[in-house]
Amino acid sequence: DIQMTQSPSTLSASVGDRVTITCRASQNIRSWLAWYQQKPGKAPKLLIYKASSLESGVPSRFSGSGSGTEFTLTISSLQPDDSATYYCQQYNSYWTFGQGTKVEI
Amino acid sequence: QVQLQESGPGLVKPSETLSLTCTVSGGSISDYYWSWIRQPPGKGLEWVGDVYYSANSDYSPSRDSRVTISVDTSKNQFSLKVTSVTAADTAVYYCARPRGQSQSDAFDIWGQGTLVTVSS
Repeated sequence: DIQMTQSPSTLSASVGDRVTITCRASQNIRSWLAWYQQKPGKAPKLLIYKASSLESGVPSRFSGSGSGTEFTLTISSLQPDDSATYYCQQYNSYWTFGQGTKVEI
Repeated sequence: QVQLQESGPGLVKPSETLSLTCTVSGGSISDYYWSWIRQPPGKGLEWVGDVYYSANSDYSPSRDSRVTISVDTSKNQFSLKVTSVTAADTAVYYCARPRGQSQSDAFDIWGQGTLVTVSS
């Protein structure tokens, strides 16, 4: 199984801050990585696919980068609505998720 | 716009069978893979398995032999069964569909999720 490790587990930041979340894969997953945002009581929402492609309708302040085993999700200017838990997910071999990063504002 | 809706009992007794159905609306179940993903309370997401409209199913490598996923194209539905449940199966269960028609893709369509509690 491919393991996904996110850091940090929790992040506190202010409105307007630039925020970065890191995701590491236990083996090379090329660019087969997605990022999701999940708010309490809701299903995850796809933000980024194929490591850096922005899903339609997602604000451009979200961006993704990386390949191989190390990836990042960046929120360029944190907004109040961005308070949520963020998950990375590999789909190079089946699907596994990171443990999540809770972003507090 | 394709939408997914999970349905099934919210409470299941230990050792019994958990059965959930996902109904696909706004589009056909054909030509796509359909997944089940679960999330124990306060924890992360776990892909359980998927099924193709032709009825081929695939499961997590750490698959549990208790899990079966099936499809009913006549009803535009697919289903999840987990036998001999324990408290560890308590979770919100989501059905989901990948972005494209390839099995390996990110999930852009999700149901709202249904909480299943295993308790006597």
